Amino acid sequence: ETGVTQSPTHLIKTRGQQVTLRCSSQSGHNTVSWYQQALGQGPQFIFQYYREEENGRGNFPPRFSGLQFPNYSSELNVNALELDDSALYLCASSLEQRQGPYGYTFGSGTRLTVV
Amino acid sequence: ILNVEQSPQSLHVQEGDSTNFTCSFPSSNFYALHWYRWETAKSPEALFVMTLNGDEKKKGRISATLNTKEGYSYLYIKGSQPEDSATYLCASLTGANNLFFGTGTRLTVIP
Repeated sequence: ETGVTQSPTHLIKTRGQQVTLRCSSQSGHNTVSWYQQALGQGPQFIFQYYREEENGRGNFPPRFSGLQFPNYSSELNVNALELDDSALYLCASSLEQRQGPYGYTFGSGTRLTVV
Repeated sequence: ILNVEQSPQSLHVQEGDSTNFTCSFPSSNFYALHWYRWETAKSPEALFVMTLNGDEKKKGRISATLNTKEGYSYLYIKGSQPEDSATYLCASLTGANNLFFGTGTRLTVIP
């Protein structure tokens, strides 16, 4: 059983650029959620995808968008990068929307630095 | 945005000491409470998912309780070991599938 894999692990981008972060779900999981963790804060919910459809969104602007593919892997896209987008981006997968008794399986994150 | 608070922010204990931390969350629209353990440079690891008022869960030396009426959960570690050093995150899941995290309690166990 594989866990959640995120790529890349680290990334440096210039303000105004676009970035795509990738996540491979744990085998058998059909739900993916993305979180942003800025320095000194807890992870903040960006959005969730369930069976390729967006299934909930946090307080993030439309320049944060995502996709989920038929194999349940996922992408997070951020357009027009701002300095405040510098953060650790975590992907988490789960079986069904409400996780059951097992919680989420997290990846180890992508550290994005915007300069 | 749900306000989930954890205390203390950080904690240093001696090996062998028992310790506990608190997570408070709004009790309205509550669905579940999650606890995660996050070691540096690793992925957050699920410890417990609790849904019912009065729930108590245990995993080895770690246990947790839940009070949904007053909106708090406690995490207890008995006989702390250096390998327990990590950040412990709690998160409240609402009916809308949003998991709202606290800022975590960073535990350091001194050998």
